[in-house]
Amino acid sequence: DAKTTQPTSMDCAEGRAANLPCNHSTISGNEYVYWYRQIHSQGPQYIIHGLKNNETNEMASLIITEDRKSSTLILPHATLRDTAVYYCIVLLSGSARQLTFGSGTQLTVLP
Amino acid sequence: AAGVIQSPRHLIKEKRETATLKCYPIPRHDTVYWYQQGPGQDPQFLISFYEKMQSDKGSIPDRFSAQQFSDYHSELNMSSLELGDSALYFCASSPLTAWRAEETQYFGPGTRLLVL
Repeated sequence: DAKTTQPTSMDCAEGRAANLPCNHSTISGNEYVYWYRQIHSQGPQYIIHGLKNNETNEMASLIITEDRKSSTLILPHATLRDTAVYYCIVLLSGSARQLTFGSGTQLTVLP
Repeated sequence: AAGVIQSPRHLIKEKRETATLKCYPIPRHDTVYWYQQGPGQDPQFLISFYEKMQSDKGSIPDRFSAQQFSDYHSELNMSSLELGDSALYFCASSPLTAWRAEETQYFGPGTRLLVL
């Protein structure tokens, strides 16, 4: 599975959009980009995933560049409860593929 | 909606004792994963099961074993516990899909194990 690079930490003002970047320059054509987050000591929570096209759900939007070498997770209106570590994971989906958690980005939403 | 259930939520053991952690996946999920998260660390994959067969193995110590039962619940058995086994242990499950190209994992709340 391709490796990912994320900033160690980011701050965002409450109510503003949080844009979390991820670099995955070695991604292959059949690897998906997944985003999970972990609020302190809770189980990781699935946010969104995509292959090529941009995706949106009730939690976030995922923007994937045309060359697929990077992506951005967008939380449109960040709240204090969005403070968490956000993990970008590239996954060659198949049978019971493990998630490899890198260091992630600590997002702190400030009041 | 039903979530992944883990029990116990907290466990305190002495060194060299054994522990059994249980995981009940979301209904109709056939795949179970176990992860370990040490203090200040990111979750690390231990082992997974698909349709009651071991499907993938990560950095699981030989002292640990796991299995998935006919009702799809899974147990992680840990023997000869060491201080370094103190960690959060997460179980995740993923659903049956007609084609397995996309597999989202849903995590339980974790079991916090403290070895004294």
